This record gives sequence, structure tokens and C-alpha cells, in this order.
Amino acid sequence: DGGITQSPKYLFRKEGQNVTLSCEQNLNHDAMYWYRQDPGQGLRLIYYSQIVNDFQKGDIAEGYSVSREKKESFPLTVTSAQKNPTAFYLCASSPSPDRGPEAFFGQGTRLTVV
Amino acid sequence: DQQVKQNSPSLSVQEGRISILNCDYTNSMFDYFLWYKKYPAEGPTFLISISSIKDKNEDGRFTVFLNKSAKHLSLHIVPSQPGDSAVYFCAASPMGTYKYIFGTGTRLKVLA
Repeated sequence: DGGITQSPKYLFRKEGQNVTLSCEQNLNHDAMYWYRQDPGQGLRLIYYSQIVNDFQKGDIAEGYSVSREKKESFPLTVTSAQKNPTAFYLCASSPSPDRGPEAFFGQGTRLTVV
Repeated sequence: DQQVKQNSPSLSVQEGRISILNCDYTNSMFDYFLWYKKYPAEGPTFLISISSIKDKNEDGRFTVFLNKSAKHLSLHIVPSQPGDSAVYFCAASPMGTYKYIFGTGTRLKVLA
């Protein structure tokens, strides 16, 4: 089945540690995204990538890093520089604009810093 | 500066009635608008989209209306069902980009 897989679903991290969230898609989509959701807030864009080996900062990129070495994969690293990392993280992908505007989301990873 | 706004954080509707969720935007360069439905601890699921060159798009019980002069769009769900209870996000995509800008969501509760 085609889709977007995020792992793990729940993640606990000690303060001061870096952690990497996985996102894989087999939809052959060009673009991939990372969003963050906090209680009572919308989805805020962290990073996005339109093509392999290229990515752009979103609205809240500070304290995060990404890589796009393969079309299928877009891992997000939450570094110790991120001041408030506890949140629900969502990965998404979309085809090129001429093949439709919809982005499709994974099931999310809930990160808790303890 | 929030470019996509959903000013109603919550809405309650009786089963069988119409649900109307609203969204306002400020950027006239958006060329696609989308609605997503989200359950707690899950990823959003795509519901329906509309191009900026249209004023209406319909898919089953879901209809999206776009009023470009007012920079306003709305999602109509009719008839509303208890399974529609979720948070609904409006999103917009600026022309020529892959970005999606989301509103803060409206929690819909459909009462049986």
C-alpha cells in the first residue's frame, strides 16, 4: 500500500539530547514537509523539500535540521538547541504541482522531552 | 502575521443539519485552498480542495465555496454525521510554491 510512514509513534528524549524522527514515503512524491502541532494551535511548517538534496526553512526552523538524500526519505533531527521540543510532529508529501495540490500526511510522532 | 485564519475554535451542530466551517486569508497569491480533517493523535486526512479560479467544488457531502473578493472560503458538510466530529484545518498554497499554510483549526462536534 502507498503511503507515508513515520516512526516511532511515541518518542521520549532527555533534555540536551538530539533525536531523529523518521519519515518515509512510497508515493513517488517530489516534495516532503515537516510540521509541528502544539495544543490548540495549527500546523506550523518547520522545513520542506521540493527535490532531492534541496530543502528550505519553514516558519519555525530554529533548533531543527533535515536531510533529503533520497526521494523517499526526509528525516528530521530535533537538536538540543530547540527550546521547546515537546510536540506532535507531522510529516507530509505532495506530488509536483501539476499533478494535484494535495499533501498527504503520516500518522505523526509525539515527542516528549523528559 | 497569520495568513490563514479560522476564527471559530469550535462549532456544535445537530446530526443531520448543515455544518459550516469558515476560513479567511490575506494573501491574494494563493492558488489552491484545501480542507483537512484531523482526529487526535493522528495525521490530517485530505477532504477537498478548490482552485482559485473556481468558486465552488463539491464532493459528496462536502462542498467548498470560495469568495475571492472577500478572501473567504467555507466548507459545508450536509448532512452532518457524528463521525464528522474532528478538528478541521483550512490550508492554502501560494502560487508557484510547494508550501502549505494552515489555519489554527475548528473543532466540530456533531451531536447525535
